[in-house]
Amino acid sequence: DSGVTQTPKHLITATGQRVTLRCSPRSGDLSVYWYQQSLDQGLQFLIQYYNGEERAKGNILERFSAQQFPDLHSELNLSSLELGDSALYFCASSVGPGTGELFFGEGSRLTVL
Amino acid sequence: AQKITQTQPGMFVQEKEAVTLDCTYDTSDQSYGLFWYKQPSSGEMIFLIYQGSYDEQNATEGRYSLNFQKARKSANLVISASQLGDSAMYFCAMREGRSGSGYSTLTFGKGTMLLVSP
Repeated sequence: DSGVTQTPKHLITATGQRVTLRCSPRSGDLSVYWYQQSLDQGLQFLIQYYNGEERAKGNILERFSAQQFPDLHSELNLSSLELGDSALYFCASSVGPGTGELFFGEGSRLTVL
Repeated sequence: AQKITQTQPGMFVQEKEAVTLDCTYDTSDQSYGLFWYKQPSSGEMIFLIYQGSYDEQNATEGRYSLNFQKARKSANLVISASQLGDSAMYFCAMREGRSGSGYSTLTFGKGTMLLVSP
């Protein structure tokens, strides 16, 4: 158990819909990262937050947004969903913004029908 | 160009044998970190081992060791005495940028599927 909690574990929805994925980092970790894992693209970095502020942005679509709240949990919002958004979405956390390994949650598997 | 290249889509090894999973990387930074993660069929990503670019000795963690060859830009994972539970997808990843810079995202390779047979 990495200590990173993600909910929901599985989610099935329809095209055009909006979903929210939630992540609670390990106790003491201030940085949260979101990654998308799909068969064709592999593991793609989406976005990073540190202590509530956005720190780095990767290949995140404009239809996607995220935030980190004062209690350090984070949410990833996916809107106007398309079939190609079906993927495993990982949240990871680390102590600081630029050090150490990332500890991953178990992922949220999103299926868009 | 890919920053992390894992050339072996799949590897087979017999139980108790050693296996090497290849990883080459591309960066112009002097300070960077290399990581290996394991992803079993259940899906979670499990951190295995880390090597910093300035570390002079190869990293080891139990049965895992990282064969770091800086000049060749390679960071191969060696698993000694393979076990059936080692069957999983293995990802090599790199963190570029100085520690504390705020840019610490990991770039992952495509992964290598390891199958350990009895």
